Amino acid sequence: GQQLNQSPQSMFIQEGEDVSMNCTSSSIFNTWLWYKQDPGEGPVLLIALYKAGELTSNGRLTAQFGITRKDSFLNISASIPSDVGIYFCAGQLRGNKLVFGAGTILRVKS
Amino acid sequence: DAGITQSPRHKVTETGTPVTLRCHQTENHRYMYWYRQDPGHGLRLIHYSYGVKDTDKGEVSDGYSVSRSKTEDFLLTLESATSSQTSVYFCAISFGQGRGTNNEQFFGPGTRLTVL
Repeated sequence: GQQLNQSPQSMFIQEGEDVSMNCTSSSIFNTWLWYKQDPGEGPVLLIALYKAGELTSNGRLTAQFGITRKDSFLNISASIPSDVGIYFCAGQLRGNKLVFGAGTILRVKS
Repeated sequence: DAGITQSPRHKVTETGTPVTLRCHQTENHRYMYWYRQDPGHGLRLIHYSYGVKDTDKGEVSDGYSVSRSKTEDFLLTLESATSSQTSVYFCAISFGQGRGTNNEQFFGPGTRLTVL
């Protein structure tokens, strides 16, 4: 099936540092979504991107829809302890189906 | 909170027994989905529904069936549970087909299922 390659698999950073993660695929997507999952909870939508080249921010988070429509990145500026969790990218194919990356585990040193 | 509940939240069962998980939404969203989450695999789609009594398979549908008799409820059934179905199951909803915000999916809190 379709696959999204999400990297890095995990990150361990100092509080206050900026974080960057990305997703790539061989397929073209119409929409890119970024989710965060806290332990024991369901994923929560952070940012949605609908057009190639689009750059969208949500507080300290910024995400971009790659111009080729095959990739996307998420940046977190000035990380804080509550940023810990798993971040997932998801790409929309035909209809309403999403394909998810395997996730990036973010750990922050306080 | 997108008005999605899942029940039960935790379940332990034995191999060969039937199991039904329930997803309930209060948002009147047309589309509902069942995913499973396993380490290293992210979220994988099991089945989805695009309306009452309208369902289709996802990428990992073997061993699962679904039913949707009303807009607000989507049931996932494991007819004869196996240890490989030990996982965390998430329900999601979206507004409808099309572009833009219609494609955004919102997730429930999950059900942790252990098959012994």
